[in-house]
Order: sequence, then C-alpha cells, then structure tokens
Amino acid sequence: AQSVTQLGSHVSVSEGALVLLRCNYSSSVPPYLFWYVQYPNQGLQLLLKYTSAATLVKGINGFEAEFKKSETSFHLTKPSAHMSDAAEYFCAVSPSNFGNEKLTFGTGTRLTIIP
Amino acid sequence: EAQVTQNPRYLITVTGKKLTVTCSQNMNHEYMSWYRQDPGLGLRQIYYSMNVEVTDKGDVPEGYKVSRKEKRNFPLILESPSPNQTSLYFCASSFRTARANSPLHFGNGTRLTVT
Repeated sequence: AQSVTQLGSHVSVSEGALVLLRCNYSSSVPPYLFWYVQYPNQGLQLLLKYTSAATLVKGINGFEAEFKKSETSFHLTKPSAHMSDAAEYFCAVSPSNFGNEKLTFGTGTRLTIIP
Repeated sequence: EAQVTQNPRYLITVTGKKLTVTCSQNMNHEYMSWYRQDPGLGLRQIYYSMNVEVTDKGDVPEGYKVSRKEKRNFPLILESPSPNQTSLYFCASSFRTARANSPLHFGNGTRLTVT
C-alpha cells in the first residue's frame, strides 16, 4: 500500500517569495510521484512527475520538485511566487509496477499569494 | 481540442432519485476513472476502467455504479443517492500503460448536492 501526506492544508506566501509545498510518501515498492494543480473551477492538471530518472524534476510554470529517498519526500518549490500560482496542489504516489489505477492522492494544499 | 467533458457541471437532487453523470473523452484513452473530492480528504477513487467492458472498484465504490460500453464514455450512476454523496466529482482518462507515466486528463468537475 502507498500513501502521501501533505503538510499544511493552507499555505500563504507573498508575491515574489519562495513557494515550498511539502509532500512525504510511503510506499512498499519504488514509487512514481506526481504533483497536480487545480485552478478554481477546473479539473486537475499535471505539474510534474518523478518516474525514477533524474531526482530533480522540472515542471511547468517554473515549479520543480526533488525526490529524496532517504527522507521519503517530494517537496514542490518555486523560487518566486506569482499571483497566477494561487491554486490547490495535490501530491500523488503510485507504485512503479502499476498504472494509474493505483494512483493515490494527498489531501491537497491550498496556496494563497499575498500581493 | 483534447478534452474530458463531464455533464452536468452542477446538480441538485433529492435522496433516492436516480441520476447519471456523463463523462466523455476524445483522446482515444483506454483508461478512465471517477474520483470524488471532499474537503480535507483530497481525491478518492470511486471506480476505474482499463478498457471497454472492463471496470473495477476503487477505494470508495459503495453507492455507485459505472459502465463502459464504448471507449469514449464512462458514465457514473447513482441509483439511490444519499446526502453523504454530496461532493465534487471528477472524471479522468489516460492511455493505459504498465506504469503510471501517462498523465491523467481531468474533466472540469460535477458538483452534486443531495438533499
């Protein structure tokens, strides 16, 4: 079985400040890890994914995440927040020997950008 | 335009009145899935389908039915809705792969209220 824990259901940062959204995972087999973003009144869309290649993964809109096996973490960062980054962010995990049918989502972190 | 289309976007109904939420995708995806999103609980998988006529239970299947008679359509059926099924529902699709490296494409959601 696998699970993800997102620390902080709400995070607020000032425009231009560093964005850090935390995700820790648990998986009995090597995991694939994902970040999805949900803008208001929309469905989720993939931001970035780790699938056992490079541990530092770059995604869309300047976001990146680093897979740290020793810390079982996959935190999402962006150096400088923009107003358009306000959204809800979901971390997700899947065992690497399964497809999307075993994808498990975290509870989400709502990011607010302060002008 | 590649998309997953859900209808309706909003639905208010009464306990026990059967309803269907439709989902259609135009990307020739084999895999389709339904999720419900509730505050503090994130996204939980209801049912999924690996291909036509192949469906399986997710984590919270009680009170729901699905069918997959055609590749593009995956309706969600609530035969006797109850208030605890009030939620935001998302349909998603992807190519079927042995590993979770095909991104999920989500619809814009259906907000269901059962009174």
